[in-house]
Amino acid sequence: EIVLTQSPDTLSLSPGERATLSCRASQSLGTRFLAWYQQKSGRTPRLLIYGAFTRATGIPDRFSGSGSGTDFTLTITRLEPEDSAVYYCQHYSNQLPWTFGQGTQVEIK
Amino acid sequence: QVHLQESGPGLVKPSQTLSLTCSLSGDSISSGNYYWNWIRQRPGKGLEWIGYVFHTGATHYSPSLESRLTVSVDTSSNTFSLRLTSVTAADTAVYYCARAAFDPFSRYFDSWGPGTLVTVSS
Repeated sequence: EIVLTQSPDTLSLSPGERATLSCRASQSLGTRFLAWYQQKSGRTPRLLIYGAFTRATGIPDRFSGSGSGTDFTLTITRLEPEDSAVYYCQHYSNQLPWTFGQGTQVEIK
Repeated sequence: QVHLQESGPGLVKPSQTLSLTCSLSGDSISSGNYYWNWIRQRPGKGLEWIGYVFHTGATHYSPSLESRLTVSVDTSSNTFSLRLTSVTAADTAVYYCARAAFDPFSRYFDSWGPGTLVTVSS
C-alpha cells in the first residue's frame, strides 16, 4: 500500500498570504497519479488538482500543484476566507488500494 | 451533468449488515467509462477508499475491509451497492459514492455523491 503523508497538519494564515501544503508518497507516483481535494466543513470533497498540476474545471488559478516522484505540493496564493478547509492528496496509480493523505487543515485568521 | 446519490439506513445495529445504494443520473454505468467507488469518512477523520465496481461486475476492495465487503452493480437500474457485514462502531462514518475514469491516467474522483451518515449503534 502506498502511504501518503501530508504536512503540516494545520496551517494558520492571514488573507492574502500564500499556503504551501506538502504530500509525500512512500513510493514513486511518477508525474501523473496524484490528485488534491478540498473539503470544507460538513461538505463533500471537491477535486482541485489532478495529474499533480492540472486544475479541475472551475478551480481558480490561485490553486496550483507541482511535484513528481514522491514529493508533491499544493500552493494556494492570495488566500481568501473561503479557502478555509481541509486539503487531501490522493494517489490513483495502478498500485491499489488508492489511498489518501491524512489531510492538512488550512485556517484563515 | 452526472449526479450521484447515496441511500440506505442511517442506523445499523452492531454485528449486522450495512447496505447502501448509489443511484446515478446523467451518465450510464453501462458505458464502461468509469469505475464506481465507495469512500468513507469516520467522524472527525480523513477519507478512506473502500472499493470499486466496474460495469462488468469486476471489483477491487481495500485489503482492510475485503473480508466483510461486497460491492455490486445493477446496470438495469443504473445503481451500484455496498454491503458490509459484521459491522462495529468503527464502521460509523459518512459513506460517499464517487466515480473514477477507466482511463489509467484519469482515475481521480471527479464526481461525488453528497454522502450519507451511517451510525452503528444498538
